Amino acid sequence: EADIYQTPRYLVIGTGKKITLECSQTMGHDKMYWYQQDPGMELHLIHYSYGVNSTEKGDLSSESTVSRIRTEHFPLTLESARPSHTSQYLCASSGPGRLQETQYFGPGTRLTVL
Amino acid sequence: KQEVTQIPAALSVPEGENLVLNCSFTDSAIYNLQWFRQDPGKGLTSLLLIQSSQREQTSGRLNASLDKSSGRSTLYIAASQPGDSATYLCAVLSYNTDKLIFGTGTRLQVFP
Repeated sequence: EADIYQTPRYLVIGTGKKITLECSQTMGHDKMYWYQQDPGMELHLIHYSYGVNSTEKGDLSSESTVSRIRTEHFPLTLESARPSHTSQYLCASSGPGRLQETQYFGPGTRLTVL
Repeated sequence: KQEVTQIPAALSVPEGENLVLNCSFTDSAIYNLQWFRQDPGKGLTSLLLIQSSQREQTSGRLNASLDKSSGRSTLYIAASQPGDSATYLCAVLSYNTDKLIFGTGTRLQVFP
């Protein structure tokens, strides 16, 4: 059973606010990912991490930042939210070891910036 | 650059039908291919993972095949049920990028 959690599930916030989307997994996975998905569109990788203190930008440019201080925790931060950031954000993890492991996804955070 | 395409974009069928969802990818240099299910407003659930050396994988009423040389995969759903209604996503893990590349999905509706 995959155990990966995201909070909040839904967030409505005003322009200019700083927000942090939380993602935690209890599987001891070394690899973690953030995807962005607009309604009816494909998922785009925006950040990933292959271990503690390792973070990389994904294929889709994003104004968000991430950190990986602990194995189980991979938060995503937007310093100043804008309406263009409105989207669904999905966190995933995989591992340990082989890159070819399946990715397990959290339930997502649906962000609306007014 | 790897591109993943899924056909059809949407499908509506009566309960009990057997159906096939298609996925194609442009670069055959992949580690594996995965099929996911996504319910509205939810995250993704992994259904089947096919390694590049494999031809197919089965789980219950689901069977996924992989033809790496032609860049194609199919997901076969037997005896469809209303509970199968969801969006089905195909994704490949490419050698070049070590990242999952997703298709846009097939939105399936199974009506009673």
